[in-house]
Amino acid sequence: KNQVEQSPQSLIILEGKNCTLQCNYTVSPFSNLRWYKQDTGRGPVSLTIMTFSENTKSNGRYTATLDADTKQSSLHITASQLSDSASYICVVSDHDKIIFGKGTRLHILP
Amino acid sequence: DAGITQSPRYKITETGRQVTLMCHQTWSHSYMFWYRQDLGHGLRLIYYSAAADITDKGEVPDGYVVSRSKTENFPLTLESATRSQTSVYFCASSTDKKNIQYFGAGTRLSVL
Repeated sequence: KNQVEQSPQSLIILEGKNCTLQCNYTVSPFSNLRWYKQDTGRGPVSLTIMTFSENTKSNGRYTATLDADTKQSSLHITASQLSDSASYICVVSDHDKIIFGKGTRLHILP
Repeated sequence: DAGITQSPRYKITETGRQVTLMCHQTWSHSYMFWYRQDLGHGLRLIYYSAAADITDKGEVPDGYVVSRSKTENFPLTLESATRSQTSVYFCASSTDKKNIQYFGAGTRLSVL
């Protein structure tokens, strides 16, 4: 069964610190992997999209990595800001379906 | 306004009533999607549409009806609302099924 598992479920860090969120998937065949940020009360917004051949992709202070061999992705946030408090959702596509992870809830404390 | 808009933002209804949630996009994207988001489940696909007059079921279609007579609109109807349909509903659009999706702000629906 195609699945996307994210860890941790929730994370609390101090403002200015770095953090890394994990996404493991069993989706096959793999098409692409996306990371979305969802602020409370809003719809998800795309951060990155990665295909099989891409190992790293950055969007400002957000850097996503992909290891297609181990079927793992990570989202690294550098120098966190209060506005980074949100849920981060990993989404993996196969040839037909789109599978959503349940997300990691990130809290940034001042 | 440009983008993707959902209406209403909030809706309270009673069990058994019919409810329609609206979604409108201005990008002329081919694909449109309806999701529901519940605690512990993440986003789950209800229905999607590849083009006007083409719709297909997602993961949790029971109790929902969609139509797409125009490219820019994709309404979702709950024909006889049940308490289990209390949720936050998101509409999204994209140029291709596997590309980045652009989400609306959501409709929070409560069925009493």
